[in-house]
Amino acid sequence: ETGVTQTPRHLVMGMTNKKSLKCEQHLGHNAMYWYKQSAKKPLELMFVYNFKEQTENNSVPSRFSPECPNSSHLFLHLHTLQPEDSALYLCASSQRGDTDTQYFGPGTRLTVL
Amino acid sequence: QKEVEQDPGPLSVPEGAIVSLNCTYSNSAFQYFMWYRQYSRKGPELLMYTYSSGNKEDGRFTAQVDKSSKYISLFIRDSQPSDSATYLCAMSETGTASKLTFGTGTRLQVTL
Repeated sequence: ETGVTQTPRHLVMGMTNKKSLKCEQHLGHNAMYWYKQSAKKPLELMFVYNFKEQTENNSVPSRFSPECPNSSHLFLHLHTLQPEDSALYLCASSQRGDTDTQYFGPGTRLTVL
Repeated sequence: QKEVEQDPGPLSVPEGAIVSLNCTYSNSAFQYFMWYRQYSRKGPELLMYTYSSGNKEDGRFTAQVDKSSKYISLFIRDSQPSDSATYLCAMSETGTASKLTFGTGTRLQVTL
């Protein structure tokens, strides 16, 4: 595996379900990011982790819970989501949190019923 | 007013055409400007990166920044069907990845 991988690629869940999205980067980077991409809206940065520490939380509702056990792995735990949370969730990584070049994964297409 | 404005398209051009994609912005403090390309079912990939005003060329792609007009452009020469994708502009004050402001993206279709 190379670059940034995300699993699952597609996820359908009910509003009462609990699920997790997984991201893994094989680039030796130290910063990882979660973004939300909705139709006709700009990419929204959700969380930033730098050397496993969360450095940014852009006012994301608590029904989204990130976890970064090491610099290569990032999870997004989901519970009691709303239909408006349906979107493409993208993971990205960069060498450090203060660098400019990010590498994105292919995303998880989430549908909340 | 949105901080970054980008026409969503779709923009359809014949193969070989010159394509012009544009973004306008309101924050005069933006200094770092990027263009990402996003193919269907893929994540965005960095295509061009420029600092401050001026032009930057890379193969068939030219990025242009006019800070006085708060306007950036991406030109694609000799467009190919493989250029069909959504193009996102992004910009920041500091060059830090976590401080990027993205446009909504323009969908480009290059037809045979």
